[in-house]
Amino acid sequence: TQLLEQSPQFLSIQEGENLTVYCNSSSVFSSLQWYRQEPGEGPVLLVTVVTGGEVKKLKRLTFQFGDARKDSSLHITAAQPGDTGLYLCAGVLRSTPLVFGKGTRLSVIA
Amino acid sequence: NAGVMQNPRHLVRRRGQEARLRCSPMKGHSHVYWYRQLPEEGLKFMVYLQKENIIDESGMPKERFSAEFPKEGPSILRIQQVVRGDSAAYFCASSPESLFGGGEAFFGQGTRLTVV
Repeated sequence: TQLLEQSPQFLSIQEGENLTVYCNSSSVFSSLQWYRQEPGEGPVLLVTVVTGGEVKKLKRLTFQFGDARKDSSLHITAAQPGDTGLYLCAGVLRSTPLVFGKGTRLSVIA
Repeated sequence: NAGVMQNPRHLVRRRGQEARLRCSPMKGHSHVYWYRQLPEEGLKFMVYLQKENIIDESGMPKERFSAEFPKEGPSILRIQQVVRGDSAAYFCASSPESLFGGGEAFFGQGTRLTVV
């Protein structure tokens, strides 16, 4: 059973398009982190959200934490080829340091 | 300010040998976490350590696997008598405070273990 479900699993879009990827769970998280991972490398932390309903922006990336702290979304505006990668969400539960979803593999085509 | 350092980056072992993976956390970080990633899979939690103590090892196989984080030196993930199924990327992360207290985890570049 996957505690964190990410969707879509794969996404291929043209440069300049907008996209949203989702991270859903039936569990309540004390915090949630988004990472980007490139082939052969470790995950790189993008953002941490803590408060239900919180919205954080990082240039063209907008992260939202659900009101109930069970889900999160990542929206990318005007995607660029440099955004290509595996996007992972990871939540902190009361008893487990970080539970990861399987990720969304994004490909942005020039 | 160096990030989390893992070595070696690549490790090849024959079945039955021992594998030792090292992780030096970021400066000032006393919390270390080990994860395993299989191809096309997410990261699976293995063990959480805080200087000289194992806090949570619920994700670590009971046999052949052990981890330590001594007072001085890097954290070590040790796999004895490796089997082909141990082939994976092993990632270490560190945080300055507990993740349960709102700390953020920063990952190393991983060690890719191949068992032949």
